[in-house]
Amino acid sequence: DGGITQSPKYLFRKEGQNVTLSCEQNLNHDAMYWYRQDPGQGLRLIYYSQIVNDFQKGDIAEGYSVSREKKESFPLTVTSAQKNPTAFYLCASRLVGGMNTEAFFGQGTRLTVV
Amino acid sequence: AQKITQTQPGMFVQEKEAVTLDCTYDTSDPSYGLFWYKQPSSGEMIFLIYQGSYDQQNATEGRYSLNFQKARKSANLVISASQLGDSAMYFCAMRGSMDSNYQLIWGAGTKLIIKP
Repeated sequence: DGGITQSPKYLFRKEGQNVTLSCEQNLNHDAMYWYRQDPGQGLRLIYYSQIVNDFQKGDIAEGYSVSREKKESFPLTVTSAQKNPTAFYLCASRLVGGMNTEAFFGQGTRLTVV
Repeated sequence: AQKITQTQPGMFVQEKEAVTLDCTYDTSDPSYGLFWYKQPSSGEMIFLIYQGSYDQQNATEGRYSLNFQKARKSANLVISASQLGDSAMYFCAMRGSMDSNYQLIWGAGTKLIIKP
C-alpha cells in the first residue's frame, strides 16, 4: 500500500537534545512538507521541499532543520535552539502540479520535552 | 494576506442529522482552491473534498458536500446523515495561485462530536 510513514509515534526529548523525526513516502511524490500542530491552532508550515536536494523555510523554521537526500525521505531535526518543541508534527507529500492536488499525511509524531 | 477562519471551535450533533461546518476565507488571488480535511483522534489528516474558485458547481463526495458562496467568501462543509465515526477535528484550508509554491493556509479547526 502506498502512503506516508512517520516514526516514532511518540518521542520524548530532554532539554538541550537534538532529535530527528522520520518521514518516508512511497507515493512517488516530489513535494514533501513538515507541519507543526499546537492545541487549538491550525497547521503551521516548518519546511518544505519540491525536489531532491532542495528545501525551503516555512513560516516557523527557526530551531528546525531538514534534509532531502532521497525523493522518498524528508527527516526533520528539532534542535536545541527550538525553545518550545512540545507539539504534534505532521509530514505530508503531494504531486507537484496544479492547485487541486491534495496533500497526503502521515500519522504524526507527538514530541514532548521532559 | 490570505486567511482562513473557522468560527466554531466545537459542535455537538445528534447522530443521523446533517451538520454544517463553517469556513470563511480572505484572499486577493483571482484563482484559488479550498480543501477540507478530517483529523480523527489517531492524528492523521484525511482529505475529504476540494473546491476550485472557478468551479461552476459545488463539490460533492459521498456524504460530503461543499456550500461554496464565492461572493461571501465562504466554503462551508456539509455532512449529511452524520455517523458516530464522523466525530473528529475538521480543518478548512486554502491554496492560492499567486503563491508559486502553492502552500496551504489552514484554519484553526472545528471539533465535531456526534451524539448517539
